[in-house]
Amino acid sequence: QSALTQPASVSGSPGQSITISCSGSSSDVGTYNFVSWYQQHPDKAPKVLLYEVSHRPSGVPDRFSGSKSGSTASLTISGLQAEDEADYYCSSFSNSGSLVVFGGGTKLTVL
Amino acid sequence: QMQLQESGPGLVKPSETLSLACTVSGASVHEYYWGWIRQAPGKRLEYIGFFFLSGTTNYNPSLKSPLTMSVDTSKNQVSLELKSVTAADSALYYCARLRRADYYFDVWGRGTLVTVSS
Repeated sequence: QSALTQPASVSGSPGQSITISCSGSSSDVGTYNFVSWYQQHPDKAPKVLLYEVSHRPSGVPDRFSGSKSGSTASLTISGLQAEDEADYYCSSFSNSGSLVVFGGGTKLTVL
Repeated sequence: QMQLQESGPGLVKPSETLSLACTVSGASVHEYYWGWIRQAPGKRLEYIGFFFLSGTTNYNPSLKSPLTMSVDTSKNQVSLELKSVTAADSALYYCARLRRADYYFDVWGRGTLVTVSS
C-alpha cells in the first residue's frame, strides 16, 4: 500500500503563509474526510494539528488550517513562526487493507 | 490527563520475537482503541495497526513480520508482538490512542527505540 504523497520540503519566511499538499487516491483522501495532520519536532512524538480535514483540537492555533479538493488535502500555516519549523505528516483513513495510511512527510524550514 | 509510556528490550536479534508494552495512565485501556506506529531513523511514520479490547483489530498488511496486538487490563497496558524480526523492523515505536470515529491519533507516547541486530 502506497503512502500518501507529500512534498519533501517547503520553506517560508516568518510571517508568510505556506501550504503543504497531500495527494492520495479514491481509496483514501478522495473518498473520505478522515484526513489528519501531524507536526513532529526533532526527537519528539508527533502532535495532531488537524483532524477531519480542517478540525483543530483544543490548543492548536488557528494559524493552522486544512482543506481538501478531490484526492488532495492541504495544510496551510499562516503567520509563519520560527517554532513551526518541523516535519509535517498527513494521514487518512483508507479502505484498502490498512485502514490508516501516512504521507511521506514534509520538512518545513522557516528561513 | 492521559499519558502513554512505551517500553521494550532495546535490542533484539534477527529472527527473534519483539515484544513491546505501552502503559496507559489517566484512562482505562478497555475504553479506547489503541494503535502502534513506528518510524525508522530519518524516515516517515509507518502505521502498524490498531486494537480494541473486543478483539477488533486492523494490521498493516504491508508489514513483513507477523504481528499481534493485545491488551492487559490488569496492568492497563497495550502490547505489540512482532515475530521473526529483521533489520527492517529497527525503528522508534510509538503507541497512541486512536479516535476511531475520525481515524486519527490524538495522544502519543514518547516512543521506544528498537534495534534489530545480531
